[in-house]
Amino acid sequence: DTAVSQTPKYLVTQMGNDKSIKCEQNLGHDTMYWYKQDSKKFLKIMFSYNNKELIINETVPNRFSPKSPDKAHLNLHINSLELGDSAVYFCASSRSGETEAFFGQGTRLTVV
Amino acid sequence: AQSVTQLGSHVSVSEGALVLLRCNYSSSVPPYLFWYVQYPNQGLQLLLKYTSAATLVKGINGFEAEFKKSETSFHLTKPSAHMSDAAEYFCAVNPFTGGGNKLTFGTGTQLKVEL
Repeated sequence: DTAVSQTPKYLVTQMGNDKSIKCEQNLGHDTMYWYKQDSKKFLKIMFSYNNKELIINETVPNRFSPKSPDKAHLNLHINSLELGDSAVYFCASSRSGETEAFFGQGTRLTVV
Repeated sequence: AQSVTQLGSHVSVSEGALVLLRCNYSSSVPPYLFWYVQYPNQGLQLLLKYTSAATLVKGINGFEAEFKKSETSFHLTKPSAHMSDAAEYFCAVNPFTGGGNKLTFGTGTQLKVEL
C-alpha cells in the first residue's frame, strides 16, 4: 500500500498554463506538506497544512495555491507557469506531535 | 534559525569500505535531526532520526549516526558499503517549535559506490 501518493509523476507543460498536482496519504496523519526540490537537488518547504488549516507558507508566489479538502489530501495548483517552476515537487505528511515526515515519490514538473 | 551543513557534495567509496557522510547542525536548542535517502527518481526515505533519547542512533540498511553536541555533528556511517547504497543522502533538522513542524534540509551528498 502506498503511504503518500502523488499524481502525476511527470508533468510537462507550456509556460503560462495552469496545472495541478494531487496528493493523498493513507497514514492517518493530520499534517501535510509540499516541498520543492530544485535542479541542484536543494529541498525547501513550501506549505504546511494541519487539519486542513494553513500553518506554514514560506513566501511562495501567489501563483501557487494549495488546497486541502480533507486531512488526507493536499493538492497544489499552479497558475501561469514559468520556466523557473520546473522542479520536483514532493508531498509529505506527519502526525501531530511527531517530528519526521513521510514523503511521496515526487512530481517532476517541466515547464517548456 | 536552525540549519544543517553537509560537507562534501560527492563521496565515493569502494564496495565493502566504510561510509562516512558528514553533517553539522546549527541550533540554539537541542535539535531533532534526521537522515533521509533518495534513490534515483524516487522520493525521500527516512534512514534514522535523533530525538534526544540516545546519542547513537541506528537506522535501516545498516546505517547509524552519532549525535555529538560538543562538535555539533550528526555524521552518518555504515561499516561496509554496498552497491545498493548509491544514492543521494540528506541531513535535516526540525525545530519542532511554534514555527511549525518543518524540515530544513542540507544540500545533500551524492554517494557513489565503486567495485
